[in-house]
Amino acid sequence: QSVLTQPPSLSAAPGQKVTISCSGSNSNIGNNYVSWYQQFPRAAPKLLIFDNSKRPSGIPDRFSGSKSGTSATLDITGLQTGDEADYFCGTWDSTLTTALFGGGTKLTVL
Amino acid sequence: QLQLLESGPGPVKPSETLSLTCTVSGASIKSISHYWGWLRQPPGKALDWIGNIYYSGNTYYNPSLKSRVSISVDTSKNQFSLRLTSVSATDAAIYYCARIGYSYFVDYWGQGSQVTVSS
Repeated sequence: QSVLTQPPSLSAAPGQKVTISCSGSNSNIGNNYVSWYQQFPRAAPKLLIFDNSKRPSGIPDRFSGSKSGTSATLDITGLQTGDEADYFCGTWDSTLTTALFGGGTKLTVL
Repeated sequence: QLQLLESGPGPVKPSETLSLTCTVSGASIKSISHYWGWLRQPPGKALDWIGNIYYSGNTYYNPSLKSRVSISVDTSKNQFSLRLTSVSATDAAIYYCARIGYSYFVDYWGQGSQVTVSS
């Protein structure tokens, strides 16, 4: 079981907005930056958000991230069928002295 | 365009040593802003950070694997490598090499190397 908690699955219709949550503690999310990744089956993950809310070059502004206290969220607006994938969060844990990743959220676009 | 490519010997027998090498192209491994690291993803499970190395040779390991893992860098070949000793079935996973930013975000990933542990 991951130290970072995400909902195992979410679904939404095309065009809608979905929010994926990532819950942790003061030793990880509360005091460190959060990143978000998208992963399609049989492919390597892709960075969507780093440093809580920054987007790498080439990532559409439909993807946005935020952090409050010991939780972080990834918002995806204007959902497309091509957004159907696994999404997971990552951060550093200052107590465990290790990088951590959430268990992932499987997004279905109906 | 930065690319990372893992290479390794394929299946590993229990108790033996896993060795993987990552070749970096499109950028120098002597980046002052990034680490180079290894992560793994067991089937259906969360990503697991193994460790990373700075081009100077400074290493940082997951405490749960520290006694078995070693990461090294060869700047002349723009490569870095992973050694994991005494492997068991729980080490079976897809192993990724990666470029890691200052706040531990992974901005570039290799394509992944499937590692099976079988006698």
